Amino acid sequence: AQRVTQPEKLLSVFKGAPVELKCNYSYSGSPELFWYVQYSRQRLQLLLRHISRESIKGFTADLNKGETSFHLKKPFAQEEDSAMYYCAIGNTGKLIFGQGTTLQVKP
Amino acid sequence: DTGVSQDPRHKITKRGQNVTFRCDPISEHNRLYWYRQTLGQGPEFLTYFQNEAQLEKSRLLSDRFSAERPKGSFSTLEIQRTEQGDSAMYLCASSEWAGIVNTGELFFGEGSRLTVL
Repeated sequence: AQRVTQPEKLLSVFKGAPVELKCNYSYSGSPELFWYVQYSRQRLQLLLRHISRESIKGFTADLNKGETSFHLKKPFAQEEDSAMYYCAIGNTGKLIFGQGTTLQVKP
Repeated sequence: DTGVSQDPRHKITKRGQNVTFRCDPISEHNRLYWYRQTLGQGPEFLTYFQNEAQLEKSRLLSDRFSAERPKGSFSTLEIQRTEQGDSAMYLCASSEWAGIVNTGELFFGEGSRLTVL
């Protein structure tokens, strides 16, 4: 079965602390991997994609094919990072999303 | 704002009624997607179009659901004989697809929230 699992519904950290949002997946084939973010009262938007190997807003994500994981990391969290984060996999635009993790960054 | 727009933003209806949602994608995007999101869940794929052709439908899309994109521009999603289980946020997204080269980014609308009483 093709599935994305984000084990944490809520992750609460203090400003300046490191952040790691976990994502594990099962998929047959070679999917593209993404992290999407939804800030309060805004629409869902792309944060980063594996294929680009970019760092966006200080976030990076490393693909571990052996563990089938694609965890999102940031060394120093900022209050403006507070949002809902979704891991997604797929291709052709047909994506499978995880349930999402709410990141709460406290001052 | 030249982003993806959806209408209506909110719809409250009684069980058994029909509802229709409209999505206007980013004008140069040839692919259009419909997703459904229920409380506490991530978006779930329903269907997608390339230009006017509907290329795939999820098993989630029962016979009561129909989607069209008649001229390859805007799309409509109709739900007939609504049930309480249809209550959800219906998200539309668009992307640019150029054969093998795919930008991989979906641009989402703000969604249409359906409440079935």
